[in-house]
Amino acid sequence: RKEVEQDPGPFNVPEGATVAFNCTYSNSASQSFFWYRQDCRKEPKLLMSVYSSGNEDGRFTAQLNRASQYISLLIRDSKLSDSATYLCVVNNRNQGGKLIFGQGTELSVKP
Amino acid sequence: GAGVSQSPRYKVAKRGQDVALRCDPISGHVSLFWYQQALGQGPEFLTYFQNEAQLDKSGLPSDRFFAERPEGSVSTLKIQRTQQEDSAVYLCASSLGGSSYEQYFGPGTRLTVT
Repeated sequence: RKEVEQDPGPFNVPEGATVAFNCTYSNSASQSFFWYRQDCRKEPKLLMSVYSSGNEDGRFTAQLNRASQYISLLIRDSKLSDSATYLCVVNNRNQGGKLIFGQGTELSVKP
Repeated sequence: GAGVSQSPRYKVAKRGQDVALRCDPISGHVSLFWYQQALGQGPEFLTYFQNEAQLDKSGLPSDRFFAERPEGSVSTLKIQRTQQEDSAVYLCASSLGGSSYEQYFGPGTRLTVT
């Protein structure tokens, strides 16, 4: 079983839709949590960090539930430019900056 | 400013050949990471440097893989006697240091072993 699990999708949604991605992690020592975005044949880029209190950045909302070891990302009013793969990422205590990635969830927003 | 750069961007190697992949981190970044990304998968950690010290190499898949960062800046990932299962994108990332800092990724080197 992988340490970070995501539904690989693809998620095909129309423009303007709201879409939610879920992720679970198995290591209770996980300390920091992120969502990265990766466009086709490009490098991953940090989308947002995820905090226990939940955090929002424009149309994007991230939530963390430490008790359930569950992370989510909500995208509202999706745009064509949101089409990408979204990677759920954790960093574990005492492992330096090493990032552990989920498989990624592919999103395709259609006109 | 300049981001992380990697070279070559594409490499085709015959099975059994040795390859060397280069990473130029962002100037002043203390930490440097190598990841391997197979098709359809998320990146997987290979190794980590803090300055010139290799602090974690637990992700290197075999002793055919070797990484170095002799002067604490440029890093090279070497793969000896390449196998088909080594075909992947090799990503380098750098950060100011420690787990609190964002990692910035380079464009990757796409390695194909034939």
